Amino acid sequence: DTAVSQTPKYLVTQMGNDKSIKCEQNLGHDTMYWYKQDSKKFLKIMFSYNNKELIINETVPNRFSPKSPDKAHLNLHINSLELGDSAVYFCASSRGVLSSGNTIYFGEGSWLTVV
Amino acid sequence: DQQVKQNSPSLSVQEGRISILNCDYTNSMFDYFLWYKKYPAEGPTFLISISSIKDKNEDGRFTVFLNKSAKHLSLHIVPSQPGDSAVYFCAAKNNNAGNMLTFGGGTRLMVKP
Repeated sequence: DTAVSQTPKYLVTQMGNDKSIKCEQNLGHDTMYWYKQDSKKFLKIMFSYNNKELIINETVPNRFSPKSPDKAHLNLHINSLELGDSAVYFCASSRGVLSSGNTIYFGEGSWLTVV
Repeated sequence: DQQVKQNSPSLSVQEGRISILNCDYTNSMFDYFLWYKKYPAEGPTFLISISSIKDKNEDGRFTVFLNKSAKHLSLHIVPSQPGDSAVYFCAAKNNNAGNMLTFGGGTRLMVKP
């Protein structure tokens, strides 16, 4: 019944590895996102994606790439992991243009630790 | 360059009293503002929002006020309850940037019984 679900919830991996975090939403939303919460607890947008457009935050390294097999899924692939990639990654989704009463729904987060 | 700022990292309030959480922004292109609540080990959950064409929106115990000229918004919780203890994030949408939200750094609210 979880609206936005992401797996794994916890991931510990070594530097240099390639990893993926999966995200699925069952809300019928048309737009999905990835946010990163860093060690200072700031939530920052990484990507916004619907079936027409990918918007990338220019500060995101190209080692990070979103992949969407269909409207309900947006997976996050990370290549050549670095220590600084350790963070909590939140998947989210929404319908249409955000305006009065409309919002973004977040998953529970994936804790990535790079050692 | 933080476009959305929550200058109080924490706030402690007695149960039953009013909690006021503040948020300042710098980008005049923001047209929609939201407040999220976050418990540990969970994702942010939506609380209340306000469009830039309004100055107040109320939902039960929660009221958000927007002062566009001051680029300031606040969240009022009355009366505060122990279950309100969480981190509160202010977020803003840029009219020119699709649906991507810019978040403040959060304020940890502690409501004491």
